[in-house]
Amino acid sequence: NAGVMQNPRHLVRRRGQEARLRCSPMKGHSHVYWYRQLPEEGLKFMVYLQKENIIDESGMPKERFSAEFPKEGPSILRIQQVVRGDSAAYFCASSPTDEDTQYFGPGTRLTVL
Amino acid sequence: SQQGEEDPQALSIQEGENATMNCSYKTSINNLQWYRQNSGRGLVHLILIRSNEREKHSGRLRVTLDTSKKSSSLLITASRAADTASYFCATDASTGGFKTIFGAGTRLFVKA
Repeated sequence: NAGVMQNPRHLVRRRGQEARLRCSPMKGHSHVYWYRQLPEEGLKFMVYLQKENIIDESGMPKERFSAEFPKEGPSILRIQQVVRGDSAAYFCASSPTDEDTQYFGPGTRLTVL
Repeated sequence: SQQGEEDPQALSIQEGENATMNCSYKTSINNLQWYRQNSGRGLVHLILIRSNEREKHSGRLRVTLDTSKKSSSLLITASRAADTASYFCATDASTGGFKTIFGAGTRLFVKA
């Protein structure tokens, strides 16, 4: 019973490129959450999705960032035209319902050069 | 300031001692969770306590919740060097959406 999987674990991009972060939730979990963590800080909520629907994206910047969770396949967090300030660890979590414990993946560390 | 503020920000103790971390929040909640994060790693869920519960135990961990004071505490008894990590509380607001709010964390260092 694999946990939450994220890939890649490390991603390096130059300014202006696109970053795609993938998250496969635990088996049986249909709720996915994305968080961003800057060094020495806590996690900041970005977006909450259920299969094929965005439920709450209030923590996600309006421009350059998008997220999806298709019927088949992993959830994708996409950052277009990355800037240095996007460098952070991005964590995905999943849960079976919106009132249950969220289980976290190992994170993707994005570095923008 | 942000919901889910932990204090202290950093704590250094000797192995065998108890460690107490506190978390305060601002809005009504459905539940409160504590997580541990080892340096550079993902978060590990420790305990979830619901708004109608006052205390919960799991092994060497004891969590209390005081909804009248909007605060929670995490007690780690008989600490070990392996407990060295950052500890975060996270709250799920009972109104206004589904987001989970994390505090900035308490960095615990247990000296062997």
